[in-house]
Amino acid sequence: ILNVEQSPQSLHVQEGDSTNFTCSFPSSNFYALHWYRWETAKSPEALFVMTLNGDEKKKGRISATLNTKEGYSYLYIKGSQPEDSATYLCAFLIQGAQKLVFGQGTRLTINP
Amino acid sequence: GAGVSQSPRYKVAKRGQDVALRCDPISGHVSLFWYQQALGQGPEFLTYFQNEAQLDKSGLPSDRFFAERPEGSVSTLKIQRTQQEDSAVYLCASSLEGRGLIRIYEQYFGPGTRLTVT
Repeated sequence: ILNVEQSPQSLHVQEGDSTNFTCSFPSSNFYALHWYRWETAKSPEALFVMTLNGDEKKKGRISATLNTKEGYSYLYIKGSQPEDSATYLCAFLIQGAQKLVFGQGTRLTINP
Repeated sequence: GAGVSQSPRYKVAKRGQDVALRCDPISGHVSLFWYQQALGQGPEFLTYFQNEAQLDKSGLPSDRFFAERPEGSVSTLKIQRTQQEDSAVYLCASSLEGRGLIRIYEQYFGPGTRLTVT
């Protein structure tokens, strides 16, 4: 059974602080890792799709790194803003399959 | 352009009732996915279509769950004789292709249908 773990499960951060959280996934049969942001009552929004070991991607104040050999990815948010409050999901795509295997998410709350 | 839409957004069903959940993918998207998200968990894969062909239904939890995409666009997820454990958010996603040689295509999600079985 494939297991994708995210930590922490929830996080409260002061506005303006930077933060990061982790996604762990099986290092074998890796094909891609997706990060999504899901705000309440909205659709999950794709942030990054990462495929190569050592990949680093950036979108505004959010960036992500990927280590496929050890099976982890970090998501970083610099200078958190209230609009960053959401659940951040990572999802693993294995070779030979189409389905994404999701972690349980990190619920991020930014305190003004 | 228009994103993935799902209807209804909320559905309350009495135990034993049949329900049908609809997904309108982004026009031109070949692949369509259904996921189920129980409270406090991440989304779990249910089934996958490429055009009208259902290529993977390994995640459907029981034979009470049935999905179709007869013309390769709109999809319906049907749940017969609903049970309390079926209460969840049902997410639909679409993507351009199942897998590209050069890049992996993002899955674009709808807002989900929250099903509550009483």
